[in-house]
Order: sequence, then C-alpha cells, then structure tokens
Amino acid sequence: GQNIDQPTEMTATEGAIVQINCTYQTSGFNGLFWYQQHAGEAPTFLSYNVLDGLEEKGRFSSFLSRSKGYSYLLLKELQMKDSASYLCAPLRSSYKLIFGSGTRLLVRP
Amino acid sequence: SQTIHQWPATLVQPVGSPLSLECTVEGTSNPNLYWYRQAAGRGLQLLFYSVGIGQISSEVPQNLSASRPQDRQFILSSKKLLLSDSGFYLCAWSHSGTGGYEQYFGPGTRLTVT
Repeated sequence: GQNIDQPTEMTATEGAIVQINCTYQTSGFNGLFWYQQHAGEAPTFLSYNVLDGLEEKGRFSSFLSRSKGYSYLLLKELQMKDSASYLCAPLRSSYKLIFGSGTRLLVRP
Repeated sequence: SQTIHQWPATLVQPVGSPLSLECTVEGTSNPNLYWYRQAAGRGLQLLFYSVGIGQISSEVPQNLSASRPQDRQFILSSKKLLLSDSGFYLCAWSHSGTGGYEQYFGPGTRLTVT
C-alpha cells in the first residue's frame, strides 16, 4: 500500500520550532521529498532525503528513516510567511512521487 | 535556468464542454512531464506522466487524456467535462535519467466546471 499519514493541521508561534511528521508504508519507496504549498499556489520543492539521517538547509531540516517509513520536517525560527501546507512525498520510482494530503501549518504572532 | 508555463490560469467551463490545458517547459531538454490534479483541501493526485514524445502513462481511469506532441509540451484534454473534473491542475517537470528526481511545478490552472 501507499498510505501516507501526516497531521492535518498544526499551529505554532512566530520564532518557535515546529516538527511535522510523516509516516508511510515502506514497500517500493526510495527516498522522500518535502514540498511547501501556499494557499492557491503551486507546491515548491523544499528537500529530498535519499539516505537515512538529517539533511539541513537553512531554517529547514528533514529527517528520514527508510526502514521505519518515517520522516519529519523541522522548521526553526518560524516566520509568518511559513504559514502554508507542507506535503510529504515518498519517491515510488524515478518518475513517481506519491503525495500525502499535507499538513496545514498556521504561524501566529 | 528552467521555467515552466501553464495556461490558462483560471477557467470556467460548462458540463459536457471540451477541455484543453497546455504546459510548456523552457531551458531543458527531454524532461519527464507530469499532470496532477488537486481537489480543494486535498493532496495531489498524479493523472499522467511522460518520459518522452508520444509516451504517456495514465495513473487513474477517467475522462481525461494527455498528449506530448513536442519534447517540452504537454497537453491535458477532455472531450466532455464532468462536475467532478473541477480542481487545481498542475503540470510539473523533472530531469530525465540521473539528473535528479525532484519535480518542479508550474503555476497551475484552476478549473471550475459548472
């Protein structure tokens, strides 16, 4: 199966840290992507993990455990502009990403 | 640098009418191309992907079709729209071969079927 589970909504305070978790069934997946999508706009690429461990890119970090089918996206020093949906997308093959329904993050002052 | 274009940006069509959405990519050759649909408040559903001219793979049965008449052009069509075809249609591209698997999205077309 390809069940991808993410929390539907999260709320955090400006300047804080938030972790968005994603779990998926591991069969046939190689690597995992995270995308950011602001309301009414197209998704934009944030990160790609192909190996286990933590990848850091500025305020955003992403972690992957392939054997556990688990990933998280860590956002530090939250800004109001980080209010968006965050989409977890395991890589099914070299062509196919399978997108979760996304986590809607609301950053409050 | 690479850019991806989609048009139109918004579209309102009556049930039973035809549909043609176009996507073009600039700045790269032989890209993989994708059509996704996103219903309101939902995730992205892969509709079609193409790894070359004339090569189309369909992911879900539906009344939509796709064509790739040129290397960097991808078209989504329907002969007769249904109400359930309403949604946000996104075209995306990725490098072919070992150039990287990340997909880059166009601005999207918001389709309302009335």
